[in-house]
Amino acid sequence: AQSVTQLGSHVSVSEGALVLLRCNYSSSVPPYLFWYVQYPNQGLQLLLKYTTGATLVKGINGFEAEFKKSETSFHLTKPSAHMSDAAEYFCAVSEGAQKLVFGQGTRLTINP
Amino acid sequence: DTAVSQTPKYLVTQMGNDKSIKCEQNLGHDTMYWYKQDSKKFLKIMFSYNNKELIINETVPNRFSPKSPDKAHLNLHINSLELGDSAVYFCASTLTGGYSGANVLTFGAGSRLTVL
Repeated sequence: AQSVTQLGSHVSVSEGALVLLRCNYSSSVPPYLFWYVQYPNQGLQLLLKYTTGATLVKGINGFEAEFKKSETSFHLTKPSAHMSDAAEYFCAVSEGAQKLVFGQGTRLTINP
Repeated sequence: DTAVSQTPKYLVTQMGNDKSIKCEQNLGHDTMYWYKQDSKKFLKIMFSYNNKELIINETVPNRFSPKSPDKAHLNLHINSLELGDSAVYFCASTLTGGYSGANVLTFGAGSRLTVL
């Protein structure tokens, strides 16, 4: 079965600093990988996804992630954090055609 | 218009009661899900329906019974509520149209259930 591990349940950065949220996956087949964001009291929204092709994937709000098969990683980055980026971030891997398995989430806090 | 809407948004009830949460999507999707998010924010899939047919049924107590009257609606009924059922329940939907693990899920805003 596929699984996802997010390193760090809480990440805190200063406004304008680099954001790096780590995600490692386990999959017996070529994975489809996702990052979702959850703002307070809201549902999850898709940030970006990797299926095939280019390993550097760009998403919304300036986020991007790089698929590294050799490291089984799909880390999320943003060059310059903004206060509005404060949220919970979830990495997920597709298990079969219709099931997403989520990591445990990383809370991102932005310090002024 | 809200794409995936859940009602109620908040639900506070006593142990032992029975309650239902309803979900509707107007996206034309053919697959709908229930996810449970616990107090530590961990998201776990509970059920999935494709065109009214149950296709995913994780290890969930049989006090939980999903129903999909049509592909735009998915309800969750919970009998004999327990303290551990307190959580946020998210409905989600997607359009599958054949095999594709790259389907993007659209989530509702969640229904926060508190069992006292």
